[in-house]
Amino acid sequence: GQQLNQSPQSMFIQEGEDVSMNCTSSSIFNTWLWYKQDPGEGPVLLIALYKAGELTSNGRLTAQFGITRKDSFLNISASIPSDVGIYFCAAPPDQGGSEKLVFGKGTKLTVNP
Amino acid sequence: DAGVIQSPRHEVTEMGQEVTLRCKPISGHNSLFWYRQTMMRGLELLIYFNNNVPIDDSGMPEDRFSAKMPNASFSTLKIQPSEPRDSAVYFCASSSYSGGLGNIQYFGAGTRLSVL
Repeated sequence: GQQLNQSPQSMFIQEGEDVSMNCTSSSIFNTWLWYKQDPGEGPVLLIALYKAGELTSNGRLTAQFGITRKDSFLNISASIPSDVGIYFCAAPPDQGGSEKLVFGKGTKLTVNP
Repeated sequence: DAGVIQSPRHEVTEMGQEVTLRCKPISGHNSLFWYRQTMMRGLELLIYFNNNVPIDDSGMPEDRFSAKMPNASFSTLKIQPSEPRDSAVYFCASSSYSGGLGNIQYFGAGTRLSVL
């Protein structure tokens, strides 16, 4: 099947540090989505990427659609305590021909004040 | 604009009891998804509907699980009888799918189910 592999599984950082996480697959995707799940809540969309090589920012967050279309990266600059949560990558399988999304298992981020 | 609304937020029940989870999708969305989240397995798609019709239920664990969408603004996920291994957080999500790119799904806050 089309699986998304996220790394790292978890991160423990100090407030103010930058964060990098990635999502890889052996399959090609036409869209990459990054969601964040706050504790006790549902995932919320952070960034959507639609073109290979695309670099998109949302405040302190920056995400990139890998050139090979098999990976994506999310960076958070100058982390703050409210960045705590689980970050998921997601992509529609079958190169967008499906309503479904495949999700990675998430990167759990802990920020120490 | 209201997001996806799920109820209840928390449910504690005893093994063997029937459990019904409810979801109201975002108005105008034509696709609805039910997910289960556990530490071990992450987010798993159970079933999804398009225009109120079940399209893919291959993720439904077994016959104890059933889902319905009687109209565009309401869906239920029922577990009967419930078992302790069903304990998880259940999410509902909706999207406005029109083919091509942009399959953005919007999630509800989830129902945390504990089966004792």
